[in-house]
Amino acid sequence: GENVEQHPSTLSVQEGDSAVIKCTYSDSASNYFPWYKQELGKGPQLIIDIRSNVGEKKDQRIAVTLNKTAKHFSLHITETQPEDSAVYFCAASSGNTPLVFGKGTRLSVIA
Amino acid sequence: KAGVTQTPRYLIKTRGQQVTLSCSPISGHRSVSWYQQTPGQGLQFLFEYFSETQRNKGNFPGRFSGRQFSNSRSEMNVSTLELGDSALYLCASSRGQLNTGELFFGEGSRLTVL
Repeated sequence: GENVEQHPSTLSVQEGDSAVIKCTYSDSASNYFPWYKQELGKGPQLIIDIRSNVGEKKDQRIAVTLNKTAKHFSLHITETQPEDSAVYFCAASSGNTPLVFGKGTRLSVIA
Repeated sequence: KAGVTQTPRYLIKTRGQQVTLSCSPISGHRSVSWYQQTPGQGLQFLFEYFSETQRNKGNFPGRFSGRQFSNSRSEMNVSTLELGDSALYLCASSRGQLNTGELFFGEGSRLTVL
């Protein structure tokens, strides 16, 4: 089955700097790659997703890149703000299987 | 529009007992998935229901079971609780079946087994 590895597990950045979180997946059939943000005491919330027919997608300060050949995808957050502090999860799915999540990255943005 | 509602939010049980958790999806959503979240393992898939039918099941023992009702509300049950079952149980709903789009998560039910 699918296996998703996520790095780093914790990340601290200064406010205004960029943050990058990387994930690798094992199943070449996977074609849907969402990213979820979980704030303290809340459930995860989708922030951006990408499908395998595109290599990059951007939404304001957030971007995701996908390299299907290397089976890895990354989340980029620019101009980080304190409210970006949260746990971020990547996930992968082939569409016929449930989402498989990475173990999460705890991002701390230091003001 | 109301979000995904999970009850109870917190509960404490002792080993050997059983527990039932409830999930009300967003109105109009027919798919409900359950995930177990622990600090060391992240989110692990338990099962998914669509139109009252279990579509997928994760790698959990038979002590974990679930069902979905005709109004799309779902319950999961854990019998003969073990200490390792302590976790946040998250329910998520979506419009279509399987992974055709965004999952909307509830805030979870935090289970502590003593």
